[in-house]
Amino acid sequence: NAGVTQTPKFRILKIGQSMTLQCTQDMNHNYMYWYRQDPGMGLKLIYYSVGAGITDKGEVPNGYNVSRSTTEDFPLRLELAAPSQTSVYFCASRQGRRFNEKLFFGSGTQLSVL
Amino acid sequence: AQTVTQSQPEMSVQEAETVTLSCTYDTSESDYYLFWYKQPPSRQMILVIRQEAYKQQNATENRFSVNFQKAAKSFSLKISDSQLGDAAMYFCAYRSAGEETSGSRLTFGEGTQLTVNP
Repeated sequence: NAGVTQTPKFRILKIGQSMTLQCTQDMNHNYMYWYRQDPGMGLKLIYYSVGAGITDKGEVPNGYNVSRSTTEDFPLRLELAAPSQTSVYFCASRQGRRFNEKLFFGSGTQLSVL
Repeated sequence: AQTVTQSQPEMSVQEAETVTLSCTYDTSESDYYLFWYKQPPSRQMILVIRQEAYKQQNATENRFSVNFQKAAKSFSLKISDSQLGDAAMYFCAYRSAGEETSGSRLTFGEGTQLTVNP
């Protein structure tokens, strides 16, 4: 079982470039999330999805877009990259309901915008 | 909106000793869940322990236990018999019990970096 897979692991972008961070899970989870973690800080929610075709904004959605055409995939799109988007990005999916839930995190993508 | 505060950016402990990490949160809800996650240098997020707000009994998982004070909105993590492998960033997190309005998303604190000295 691969769990949650994120690609790439590292990326350097120039200001104004665009890219897509890929996230896929093979556990048939309905709930998926994108978080960003700035240096020395906690994780902040960018976008989340409760199922295929359904997405919603989190705390810090500006500058990002997502789509959820399948249960497995939840890509995060950065348009016109800015230095403020330098961060580590985590994708996660959720198994279970209410207190029995368990979050599965990917290993993260470290993004630098220069 | 809920907030989670970890007032200790860094903590250190001697191997085999006990350490307590602090966490406070702010919410107007009565039904919610609290979590402690561990993030080692590998960047993996690992669930350490979780607590239901309506349970009076403090959760325990082997060497890890919590002190949950609902009225004070406090949720501290105690690590007993600290081991070198416990060295990591520890995050406190909150989740509303209501799924429809929040997507079951977590609100994280800023983290506490724990160093374990041999």
